[in-house]
Amino acid sequence: DIQMTQSPSSLSASVGDRVTITCRASQDIKNYLVWFRQKPGRAPESLIYSATSLQSGVPSRFSGSGSGTDFTLTISSLRPEDFATYYCQQYIGFPVTFGGGTKVDIK
Amino acid sequence: QVHLQESGRGLIKPSETLSLTCTISGGSLNTYYWSWIRQPAGKGLEWIGRINTSGNSNSNPSLRSRVTMSVDVSNNQFSLKLSSATAADTAMYYCAREFYDTNYHLYVDYWGQGTLVTVSS
Repeated sequence: DIQMTQSPSSLSASVGDRVTITCRASQDIKNYLVWFRQKPGRAPESLIYSATSLQSGVPSRFSGSGSGTDFTLTISSLRPEDFATYYCQQYIGFPVTFGGGTKVDIK
Repeated sequence: QVHLQESGRGLIKPSETLSLTCTISGGSLNTYYWSWIRQPAGKGLEWIGRINTSGNSNSNPSLRSRVTMSVDVSNNQFSLKLSSATAADTAMYYCAREFYDTNYHLYVDYWGQGTLVTVSS
């Protein structure tokens, strides 16, 4: 299985901060990567697919970059609703696999 | 907007079969694949498997021998059965929708809220 490693596992930030989360794949996954946000007690929400494409309805403060093995999710200006846990997922390999998550909390 | 809701028994005994159903509202089962994903407390997400309305399915090799999935188009539902449950199957179970990207690869675009299943005697 393809291993997905996220860093950091947690971070503290303030409203308005620029936040960057990274995801590394154990082998080349081209651009077959999704980013999710999960607020406590809520369903995960897809933010980015194909590494860089914004899911319909997702605010433009979210952006994704990368290809191959190294990927980044950037939140340009953190909003209160963005304090949550973020996951990456690769979908080229079988089975699909997920990163361990990055929890973003309030500084 | 499509909404997915899991339902099923929250507590089962070891060796019993875990059974869950996902009901879709605000959209059709057709065109998509429908999947199950789980997360034990404090651990990572694990993809269980997917199925479409034609009955085509894939499941994680680590669980394949115990997984049965089905689709009920008339009720806009799909289901998971996981046989011979053990404590290791205790987890939050999510249903999800998978959609094709521009390169015809499936990715998860919508999730249910999840339901907790505990396996304990």
